[in-house]
Amino acid sequence: QQQVKQSPQSLIVQKGGISIINCAYENTAFDYFPWYQQFPGKGPALLIAIRPDVSEKKEGRFTISFNKSAKQFSLHIMDSQPGDSATYFCALRGQRWGGATNKLIFGTGTLLAVQP
Amino acid sequence: NAGVTQTPKFQVLKTGQSMTLQCAQDMNHNSMYWYRQDPGMGLRLIYYSASEGTTDKGEVPNGYNVSRLNKREFSLRLESAAPSQTSVYFCASSADRAKGEQYFGPGTRLTVT
Repeated sequence: QQQVKQSPQSLIVQKGGISIINCAYENTAFDYFPWYQQFPGKGPALLIAIRPDVSEKKEGRFTISFNKSAKQFSLHIMDSQPGDSATYFCALRGQRWGGATNKLIFGTGTLLAVQP
Repeated sequence: NAGVTQTPKFQVLKTGQSMTLQCAQDMNHNSMYWYRQDPGMGLRLIYYSASEGTTDKGEVPNGYNVSRLNKREFSLRLESAAPSQTSVYFCASSADRAKGEQYFGPGTRLTVT
């Protein structure tokens, strides 16, 4: 099974600062790179996603940067807020995985704490 | 529109007991998934189903069985629970590959003693 490496494991950022979470993968046969956000006691929810034909996608304060040659993608949270405190997971979808499904492999997660 | 629902929310089992975790979605999605979440290990796929009547193994299928009862429901069964199966279990569903997003349920926290 392909692996994705996520770092850091935990992150503390001051309110208003920039949070950066990185993921690296080992194979190029992926076609969808989402980030999920999970609050304590809840299921994960899609935050933002990118496809490999673009290098950056921005939605509000959240940006994905994608470096295809380096096999890395990262999540940037600008002007981080206490309400952003959550666990963040990167994920990958293989081009030929799971037939018609959206089968994903997830990173190990980053626990973000934004201090007021 | 409830999205993805899971029952029960919490369960405590003794080693060797069996139980079934229930999942249902009302979004008319074809694909459904079962994950387990353990500290430091992220979300690991147990089984998934592309459509009613089909199921496939994920990364960690040992000790589990699944049933795709109909398009809405996808259940996960532990035949003989072990302490290593103590975890939080999430069910998810998704539409076709063009949309990509998986929608998750609220989870079931299972403890096996």
